[in-house]
Amino acid sequence: QKEVEQDPGPLSVPEGAIVSLNCTYSNSAFQYFMWYRQYSRKGPELLMYTYSSGNKEDGRFTAQVDKSSKYISLFIRDSQPSDSATYLCAMTRYGNKLVFGAGTILRVKS
Amino acid sequence: DTAVSQTPKYLVTQMGNDKSIKCEQNLGHDTMYWYKQDSKKFLKIMFSYNNKELIINETVPNRFSPKSPDKAHLNLHINSLELGDSAVYFCASSLRDRNTEAFFGQGTRLTVV
Repeated sequence: QKEVEQDPGPLSVPEGAIVSLNCTYSNSAFQYFMWYRQYSRKGPELLMYTYSSGNKEDGRFTAQVDKSSKYISLFIRDSQPSDSATYLCAMTRYGNKLVFGAGTILRVKS
Repeated sequence: DTAVSQTPKYLVTQMGNDKSIKCEQNLGHDTMYWYKQDSKKFLKIMFSYNNKELIINETVPNRFSPKSPDKAHLNLHINSLELGDSAVYFCASSLRDRNTEAFFGQGTRLTVV
C-alpha cells in the first residue's frame, strides 16, 4: 500500500462546476499537506499548503485536512477550462521529504 | 527571471551512454532536490542537498550521481543509461525549513532508446 493514495482520474466536469479532489494517507506523522498543479509538459507549481487539520481558502480554491480520517481535499469553485491540469497532493512532516500522490487528471470542458 | 531552470529540456540517448542534467536556481534557496516522475505521473524524490551537503539519498541505483558545486546549482549525472531510466526528471528548490514551499523546474524528459 502506498503512503499516499490518489485517484488518477481523469475527472471531467463542465465549466462552472465545483470540483472535489481527494487524497488519503497512512502515515499519521504527516503534519503539512500541499496541493500542486501540473500542466502538461510543465513542472508542478504549489497551489496551497495547510498545516495540521482545518480549512484554508485562497480565491476559488479551498484545501481541507481531516487528520482523524487521514483524508485531504481540494475544492475548486467555478471551475474554468484553464484549471485543466494534473493535481498532485503531497505531504510531509517537519524537515522530511515530500511524499506525493500519483496525481488526478482534471478536465474542465467549456 | 526563471526561478529554477534545467537543461536540457529534452534528452534522447542510447542505452549504455552517460548523460548529465543541469539545474540552477536564483531564488536564494539553500536546499535543492532531484525528483523522478514516471509515465504514470508518480513523482518521487531521489536526492536532496542542503548547502552542498547531501541530506536525502533515496534508494537510487549508484549509476545516478548528484553533484552540487554551490547552493544554487545541482547537477545529475547518469552512467550506463538503461531503458527504465526513461522518465521526466525535475529539479526543485526550497529553504530547508520551508520544504512545504518547493519550486520546481520545467523538467527534463529523458528517453533512452
